[in-house]
Formats: sequence, structure tokens, C-alpha cells
Amino acid sequence: DQQVKQNSPSLSVQEGRISILNCDYTNSMFDYFLWYKKYPAEGPTFLISISSIKDKNEDGRFTVFLNKSAKHLSLHIVPSQPGDSAVYFCAASRENFNKFYFGSGTKLNVKP
Amino acid sequence: GAVVSQHPSWVICKSGTSVKIECRSLDFQATTMFWYRQFPKQSLMLMATSNEGSKATYEQGVEKDKFLINHASLTLSTLTVTSAHPEDSSFYICSAAGTVADTQYFGPGTRLTVL
Repeated sequence: DQQVKQNSPSLSVQEGRISILNCDYTNSMFDYFLWYKKYPAEGPTFLISISSIKDKNEDGRFTVFLNKSAKHLSLHIVPSQPGDSAVYFCAASRENFNKFYFGSGTKLNVKP
Repeated sequence: GAVVSQHPSWVICKSGTSVKIECRSLDFQATTMFWYRQFPKQSLMLMATSNEGSKATYEQGVEKDKFLINHASLTLSTLTVTSAHPEDSSFYICSAAGTVADTQYFGPGTRLTVL
């Protein structure tokens, strides 16, 4: 069974509004989480990460929130821009990075 | 949910030997599989795209004779690192295309260490 899930395959948002992408995981041993952004025909690009000792990490327009008790993380993009349109993957690993577990992705469409 | 496995999860080999990594989609048929290489805390680098029954499409800068990809069935793709060298040490991840457009199901990765 998948240990990391992104239950929304797609999301459509108006330019300037907030985009919220969600990710759930089942393994409480995960302690490092990443978000990747992927354009067609390219590999996923690292976007932002968070370790389990934090509940929030911010980088410009991107903020990742971690709720350990709910085993849930989310990526907020504010304000959303058309160039943000891509597929977003969340991933989780344990501290030794020996294995990564990815969600199946959410396709974000930011409408001008 | 869809599951993709990789075997082995880690391997240590001597320089000059070849290593084969398997990627299997366990509960769905994957006509397309992708192979990535990842360095710690960095983006995944797409190495090649493989379609079942045809030759893989390699990304620019990836040596096809060094990284042999075989996609013999709808559930199995293999990556063989031939004549491995220490600079090939990395984390190799495969993914399989899902039925929903743009979804990919990733394997857990294989850590290769070449001595």
C-alpha cells in the first residue's frame, strides 16, 4: 500500500489566489518531507522541505505545513502564478535517506 | 493504491562491475516507466523514459551504453549500470505512469555505492 498519498489528482486556482496542495502519510517514522514540482518531460525539481522537528517552513511564496499528529502536510502557494502550473509531488523519508516514498502527484492549474 | 517496488534497495559493488536494478509495478500495468537519479536533497534528474517493448529514450547527457534500460513487460523495467565507477554512486529511483494523466507512482529507490 502507498505510504504517502495525494488524494487530489488535480487542482485549479485563479491567479493571485492561494493554492493548497495536500499530502497524507501513514508511517509515523518518517521524519523528513519534501515537495517537488514537475513540468512535462522534465524530472521533478526540488521545491521545499521540512523536517519533523518543525511544523512550518517558508520560502518566498511557498510554505509547507506539517501536522505530525494527523500525519498530514500541505504546501501553500501565495499568490499563485500561471508559471506555478505543474504537477506537485510530496515525498517522505527517514533520516538516513535510504528510501523515499512519493505521493502520486497533484496537477495544479493556475488560471490567468 | 498503486505500488512500485525496486530491488535491491541498496547495493555495494566494486569498480568495473555491472549492477542491475529492477523496478516493478505490483498492481497495475505500466506502459511507461521513468528512471531518475538523485543526489542528496537535490532534484531528481530524469535519466530516461522507457516504454514497454521499445527502446528507452535517454535524456541529453545520459550515456545509453552505460545505463542500459530494458522494459520487457508491462510490470518490469530494469536499469543496468555497466562498468560502474565511484562517480556512479547515487540514489536511483524509478516511477511508473499511472492511468490518471500526469500521475506517477515512484519506487522507494536504490542506493548504489561503487567502491
